[in-house]
Amino acid sequence: GDSVTQMEGPVTLSEEAFLTINCTYTATGYPSLFWYVQYPGEGLQLLLKATKADDKGSNKGFEATYRKETTSFHLEKGSVQVSDSAVYFCALSPSNNNDMRFGAGTRLTVKP
Amino acid sequence: DSGVTQTPKHLITATGQRVTLRCSPRSGDLSVYWYQQSLDQGLQFLIQYYNGEERAKGNILERFSAQQFPDLHSELNLSSLELGDSALYFCASSRSGGGNNEQFFGPGTRLTVL
Repeated sequence: GDSVTQMEGPVTLSEEAFLTINCTYTATGYPSLFWYVQYPGEGLQLLLKATKADDKGSNKGFEATYRKETTSFHLEKGSVQVSDSAVYFCALSPSNNNDMRFGAGTRLTVKP
Repeated sequence: DSGVTQTPKHLITATGQRVTLRCSPRSGDLSVYWYQQSLDQGLQFLIQYYNGEERAKGNILERFSAQQFPDLHSELNLSSLELGDSALYFCASSRSGGGNNEQFFGPGTRLTVL
C-alpha cells in the first residue's frame, strides 16, 4: 500500500546550520504530500503541503518540493533556530483514499 | 491553539476496562480523524468520520469503535483494554472529507493502562 519513509533521527544541529530531512514515498496514482511538526507536549501542526508534482510547499523558512521522478519530498531549511527543535513527520494522503499515512518521525534538536 | 478540543487530557485505567475519548472539531469542520501514537508503532491512522458517516478505516482494532454525532463531535470507545493500548490518542478535523485537506490536530489524550 501507499507509504512514506523518512530518515531516522535524532538529528542534532547547531543554530544557523542547514537542515535536510529526507522523505520518500511509495504510491499509486498522485498522492498529496505533507510535512507536519510536533512540538513537545502538543499535537501535530501542518508545516507545508504539496498536492501535485513539481509543487513546492513553503512555510516559516521550510521548503519541500514534490518530486515525482525520485518519489521524494525532502524538507529543507537554510538556517535553523533553537525554536525549530521538534519532531517532524512526513505524510501522504493517497489519491484514492481519505486517510493519512505518516512516517516514523524525525526528532530535530537545535543547539545554541 | 488548533481549535480542536479533546477530553480528558490524561486517563489511567486497568486492563480489561472500557474508556471513552471525546473530540470536538473546529467550528465548521465536518470531518474527524482518530490517530494512535505509540513509541513502537509511531502515528497510526485509526478511522475517519465525515458528517456523521464513517469515511475511511485504518488500523483500528475490533475492540475499538468510534462515532460522530449530529453536532459533529466524536467519541472513540476502547474496550477490553490491554497494556499495549497505552498511547497518545489524537483527534484531528478538516473542513471536508478529501485527502488533501489540512488536518488540525487536538492536543491528544494520554491513555495509560495498568
